[in-house]
Amino acid sequence: QQQVKQSPQSLIVQKGGISIINCAYENTAFDYFPWYQQFPGKGPALLIAIRPDVSEKKEGRFTISFNKSAKQFSLHIMDSQPGDSATYFCAASYRSGNTGKLIFGQGTTLQVKP
Amino acid sequence: KAGVTQTPRYLIKTRGQQVTLSCSPISGHRSVSWYQQTPGQGLQFLFEYFSETQRNKGNFPGRFSGRQFSNSRSEMNVSTLELGDSALYLCASSGGQGGEQYFGPGTRLTVT
Repeated sequence: QQQVKQSPQSLIVQKGGISIINCAYENTAFDYFPWYQQFPGKGPALLIAIRPDVSEKKEGRFTISFNKSAKQFSLHIMDSQPGDSATYFCAASYRSGNTGKLIFGQGTTLQVKP
Repeated sequence: KAGVTQTPRYLIKTRGQQVTLSCSPISGHRSVSWYQQTPGQGLQFLFEYFSETQRNKGNFPGRFSGRQFSNSRSEMNVSTLELGDSALYLCASSGGQGGEQYFGPGTRLTVT
């Protein structure tokens, strides 16, 4: 029940295309869903996050869509650029429980071809 | 503000030895969490400290321990190292309850 399942494992997109990464969770107590971007040799960087009381959040080219009833959320990268090539992790936590513990998905390696 | 810093960045140890890793959080942040990242298991939560108290603990053996000091800096210790402990150890800090977590660059530990 603590798992977060992420798909696909890898993704190849042409420059200018839309990249879509999906995550599913089981624990309905989760109330915070961030996405992290990680480049080789670096730590994960917080990209965008959403709470379950909204269905969509957009920041620049990055959008999170959230479906509470299906217990799924996804990251959409519009106008994908070669500089977006990185590994993306979704995560979930129970912040109302006064904990910062993040449960991560397995990661998606994105390659954006020029 | 300066980001999360971790020292050392790289470390090579021998099986059976112990190691201590250090993390300095973002100024003003009182919560520090530690994660282990491996190709096979991904990112796994080790433990979280807030105001010098362990607030949460992941599913790791007792060989993994940590502590937090009054200035919020944190250390984690791994005793009796095993080959499987080779990983990137990441520290993340947040402002406390409900705050976003910001990661450091990690310490790459290799156990031979």
